[in-house]
Parts: sequence; C-alpha cells; structure tokens
Amino acid sequence: DTGVSQDPRHKITKRGQNVTFRCDPISEHNRLYWYRQTLGQGPEFLTYFQNEAQLEKSRLLSDRFSAERPKGSFSTLEIQRTEQGDSAMYLCASSLEWQIYQGSYNEQFFGPGTRLTVL
Amino acid sequence: GESVGLHLPTLSVQEGDNSIINCAYSNSASDYFIWYKQESGKGPQFIIDIRSNMDKRQGQRVTVLLNKTVKHLSLQIAATQPGDSAVYFCAENLHNFGNEKLTFGTGTRLTIIP
Repeated sequence: DTGVSQDPRHKITKRGQNVTFRCDPISEHNRLYWYRQTLGQGPEFLTYFQNEAQLEKSRLLSDRFSAERPKGSFSTLEIQRTEQGDSAMYLCASSLEWQIYQGSYNEQFFGPGTRLTVL
Repeated sequence: GESVGLHLPTLSVQEGDNSIINCAYSNSASDYFIWYKQESGKGPQFIIDIRSNMDKRQGQRVTVLLNKTVKHLSLQIAATQPGDSAVYFCAENLHNFGNEKLTFGTGTRLTIIP
C-alpha cells in the first residue's frame, strides 16, 4: 500500500495520560499535515510541515500538543495530559507541491486516521 | 453537545439518478477547491479539484462547478451507485498566499436508495 498510513488506528486512554500518533506519508511527498475531526464535522487544520520544517500551527494546537517530522519523512503528534475534549479522529495528509502555469496545486491525500477516545 | 454535529445536511437519491451536492465557501480570496468523499471510519478521499481560474471541471462521473460571484461550489455525480453513499466535503485553499491549510465545509451525507 503506497498511501498515507497512520498508527495506531484506535487509541483509548485515560484523562491525564500522554499519547503519541505516527503518520507515514506517501514517500515522495514533501508536505505533511495534521487535522482533527470531531463527529459530524469536517476536518480542522492543526499544523503542517514542509520537509522537516513546521511552517504553520493552528490556534487549536494548544501547548499540550506537539508535532515533529525529524527527517522529513514520518511525523509524530503527541498530546500531553489528555483531556476528554481531545477525543476526536486525528487525520494526517500529505502532498507534493508542484508548479504548473501560474501557480501550484496542493492535492492532499489523507490517511485512515487515528481515533482517540479519552475516558 | 456532540448530537448537534450529527445533523449533517442529507441528500437521498435513487440509484442511477444524478445527484448534486452544494457548498458555500467562506473566503473570496480562496483560489483552489477540492471535493472529498468520506466513508464511515475512513479518512477523506480526494474526488476532484478545481482552480479559481476555471468554472467547470469534469472527471469520471463527477463534475465540479465553481461560481466565484456567489462563492458557491457544486459537485454533480452522474448515475449514482450504492458505493457513492458517504459524506461529501468541499474544501478551500489559499495557497497562493502562503497559507497551505485546507478549510473544510460542514459536509453533506449522500444516501443512495437501491
């Protein structure tokens, strides 16, 4: 499977615990994104990387959240001291920016997500 | 509570008929738009995209129409099949301004009636 993969697919944790999720993007993609999706809503942007550089962070990303992409390939998203409000699907996407004519495309391919439940 | 988010706009279509899903986007400066399909328990799946210098783009069984005057997108699915049942999201992007995030709409649940 050459798509975006995420691990684990499901995580149940108790409030106050730390959790870490992993995302493996499509191999040649230089951009990697994290989104959060709650039930019945569209995904909400959290942060994105171009290669290993974290270029943008949403205000949704509190100081309990940290994301890394150390070698410009896979990425991890850590949530410290989880709260019940953190329960959501955490989605990873990747893209390869390419220039065409006057601008660039940003077609993002999503992984299956990690569903987090905080008890 | 969570139940509010469960009340997605819904569209029920007879198998074989055409369906049209509408989306109002928020930012007049957005220059790139994507339609995604999301099945239960899965991540969003890319369907079709369109740049703001176009008003129509066709794919296999799908057509996206863009009306920048009223900030409106539509997705037309021809000859719907049971596998088309899913939640459909439109997303907008402002990438020409260095902002690479996708902003998603609320979503529409499409149900195909056999």
